[in-house]
Amino acid sequence: GAVVSQHPSWVICKSGTSVKIECRSLDFQATTMFWYRQFPKQSLMLMATSNEGSKATYEQGVEKDKFLINHASLTLSTLTVTSAHPEDSSFYICSAPGYYGYTFGSGTRLTVV
Amino acid sequence: QQQVKQSPQSLIVQKGGISIINCAYENTAFDYFPWYQQFPGKGPALLIAIRPDVSEKKEGRFTISFNKSAKQFSLHIMDSQPGDSATYFCAASRKSQAGTALIFGKGTTLSVSS
Repeated sequence: GAVVSQHPSWVICKSGTSVKIECRSLDFQATTMFWYRQFPKQSLMLMATSNEGSKATYEQGVEKDKFLINHASLTLSTLTVTSAHPEDSSFYICSAPGYYGYTFGSGTRLTVV
Repeated sequence: QQQVKQSPQSLIVQKGGISIINCAYENTAFDYFPWYQQFPGKGPALLIAIRPDVSEKKEGRFTISFNKSAKQFSLHIMDSQPGDSATYFCAASRKSQAGTALIFGKGTTLSVSS
């Protein structure tokens, strides 16, 4: 079945630095990738939608300059958290739609210290 | 405005019992209704999904009941087991429209006591 590989699974970074999260579709072409953010004991909130070869669409309230999304190929989408601060600490999950449904990555736990 | 409302927030069920989680949606354009199971530190995993032209779908111990007129759908877990203890999310989307994301309910934490 469709698999989305997400890396890293966890990362700790210092405040002010940038962190890149990668999501790769392993056995299918993901023309669209959705990026979600999940705080502890809360639901998944859609941050942005990326489409291969075009600019990402951000949900209201999401800072596009802080959360840079690149979808340069049909198998790779990246989310870069720039100038990270402790309030950016969260669980980030990517998802790609497919014929049989939506495939999710395993998530990245970001901790900013 | 929350488009998918889920209840209860938490649920405790004895081993062997039936777990029932309910969701209601507002957007009649939604045409895909999945349920996801999530364990701590992991991404959500698809359990079962239904489309609005079907009133019920069963896969093993998991059943979705769908009421289009009431704009409600529910997940039933039969013979609940301790290994079912997890957070469950209902979701909805207009899957027929390319590039449409899933909208999630707030989640239900299920604890199955042995």
